[in-house]
Amino acid sequence: GENVEQHPSTLSVQEGDSAVIKCTYSDSASNYFPWYKQELGKRPQLIIDIRSNVGEKKDQRIAVTLNKTAKHFSLHITETQPEDSAVYFCAASLNTGNQFYFGTGTSLTVIP
Amino acid sequence: GAGVSQSPSNKVTEKGKDVELRCDPISGHTALYWYRQSLGQGLEFLIYFQGNSAPDKSGLPSDRFSAERTGGSVSTLTIQRTQQEDSAVYLCASSLVGSVHEQYFGPGTRLTVT
Repeated sequence: GENVEQHPSTLSVQEGDSAVIKCTYSDSASNYFPWYKQELGKRPQLIIDIRSNVGEKKDQRIAVTLNKTAKHFSLHITETQPEDSAVYFCAASLNTGNQFYFGTGTSLTVIP
Repeated sequence: GAGVSQSPSNKVTEKGKDVELRCDPISGHTALYWYRQSLGQGLEFLIYFQGNSAPDKSGLPSDRFSAERTGGSVSTLTIQRTQQEDSAVYLCASSLVGSVHEQYFGPGTRLTVT
């Protein structure tokens, strides 16, 4: 089955700096890669996703890149703000399967 | 429209008791997932329902765990003879058909087994 690894597990950045979170996956058939943000005590919410037919997607300060050959994808947050502090989860899924495979999460702290 | 709802929001139970956790998915979402999230940990897949198909139970940690989905809508996760290691937040999510659509998560049920 699919195996998703996520790094780093914790990340601290100064406000205004960029943050990068990386994930790798094992099944080359995976074709959908969402990123979820979970604030303390709240439910995970989708912040951005990418499908395997594109290499990069951007939404304001957030961008995701996908390298299908290397089987890795990354979340980039620019001009970080304190409200970006949360746990971020990557995931991978196959359109022929039933499961989302989640990474173990990255706890991001943005220091004012 | 209404999002995914779960009840109860918090449940404290004694070791050995059975508990039932409820999930109401978004109307029209035929896919429903249950996850477990232990303190500071990631999302552990438990079970997946898709329409009238047989559920994918591959993530259930033991035979004390079971789930059903009635009428293709509401789902109930049952944990029998609860153990302290069952303490966690149980999250439900729903999505449109298939696993290439966004999952919408419920607020979770925090289960504490004393």
